[in-house]
Order: sequence, then C-alpha cells, then structure tokens
Amino acid sequence: EAGVTQFPSHSVIEKGQTVTLRCDPISGHDNLYWYRRVMGKEIKFLLHFVKESKQDESGMPNNRFLAERTGGTYSTLKVQPAELEDSGVYFCASSQDRQGGTEAFFGQGTRLTVV
Amino acid sequence: AQSVTQLGSHVSVSEGALVLLRCNYSSSVPPYLFWYVQYPNQGLQLLLKYTSAATLVKGINGFEAEFKKSETSFHLTKPSAHMSDAAEYFCAVIRPGGYNKLIFGAGTRLAVHP
Repeated sequence: EAGVTQFPSHSVIEKGQTVTLRCDPISGHDNLYWYRRVMGKEIKFLLHFVKESKQDESGMPNNRFLAERTGGTYSTLKVQPAELEDSGVYFCASSQDRQGGTEAFFGQGTRLTVV
Repeated sequence: AQSVTQLGSHVSVSEGALVLLRCNYSSSVPPYLFWYVQYPNQGLQLLLKYTSAATLVKGINGFEAEFKKSETSFHLTKPSAHMSDAAEYFCAVIRPGGYNKLIFGAGTRLAVHP
C-alpha cells in the first residue's frame, strides 16, 4: 500500500510568485493534516481536513495560504504571493480516524525555498 | 495551552552507548504522547506512543519511553545505540479529544559515533 505522497519534494521560487504543494493521503484516510517546519524551529500544525471539509484551520499563518481538498481525496496548499518567511518544510499527514492516539502517517515533506 | 520541550537540540553518543532523549510536556489534562523519528531524506515515522495504558511503552528499533506524570516527562531511551539510529527525533503531544492535532517539540538530532 502506498504511503502519503507529497509533490514536489523541493521547490525554489522567487518572492511574490505562487507555489502549489500537493499531498496524496493513504487511500481511505478521511483525515488529512498539513504541518510546517520553519528552519530550526518546531513542526507546527497548519490545518486539518475531514474528507473535503476543514475541521480546524487555526494554524494557517495568513490569507496568503489556501488549502483545498477536492472530493476528499488529495489536497493542495497554495501560497500566493510567497514571502521569504514562508520558506520551510511542509509536511502532510493522514490518519484513518481523528481520535487522539490514532497514528498519523507522514509524507516526506516538500522543502520550499523562497528567494 | 499544551507545549512540549525537548532538552538538547543535538545529542551525540558512541555506538553501543545508552541513548537518552528528553521530553517534557505541559498539559492541563494527561495527554497522549508520541515520539517520531525522521531519517535523512525521509518523512516522519512513529516510534512509539502513550495513550493512557501502560506507562512504559516499547516502540520499534529497540526504543522505549516511560510516561511519568509526576515529572511531566516522556523521555526516550535505547540501551545500546546503533549507527543507524542517527536521525532527528521529535516528541509530540495531543490533548485527548483534540482530533489528532499534534503539538511538536523542536526536535533533537542524534549523532552516533563509532
């Protein structure tokens, strides 16, 4: 069974450009999470989807970030326009249910560099 | 509010030595606790988790952790380090009922020397 897959693995863009990150969760996992790790700091929660609905988007930094999950399958995270402080590693995770203690499976992450 | 503190951003041990990675949490209610590991060029992988059952939790690759409520700690240990243990380790917490929203510590990078 395929794990959580993220595209691209690396992205280098200029300040002001737009970037779209994609996450394909494990098949059958209704819960999908986005996290971000800025250089040298802790991994921080961005948002949580249950199927196609946003359960919790309290971690989204500002309105330059837009997350979608069409049809409750894959998810995209768009940054528009990108700023230097958006650089970091973006992780996606999925889990079968949302009960605390259920294992969340992580993708390899997308390393975003804004120059 | 919940938080996680990992003491030591870098830990270095010799092959065969004890590994001890420290994690302290702050939570108003007993949380669920996790250790994740990230090997180079890979995603985060669950090592072990505590969900209010046994306080001593055994994980993969010979790691274990003990939940100590009185010390609000969940330190990760392995009796004998192997070169393949070199990675970054993350302690994380979830508040029960918190919909699996993980709150991470800053991570500890473990180096293992021959």
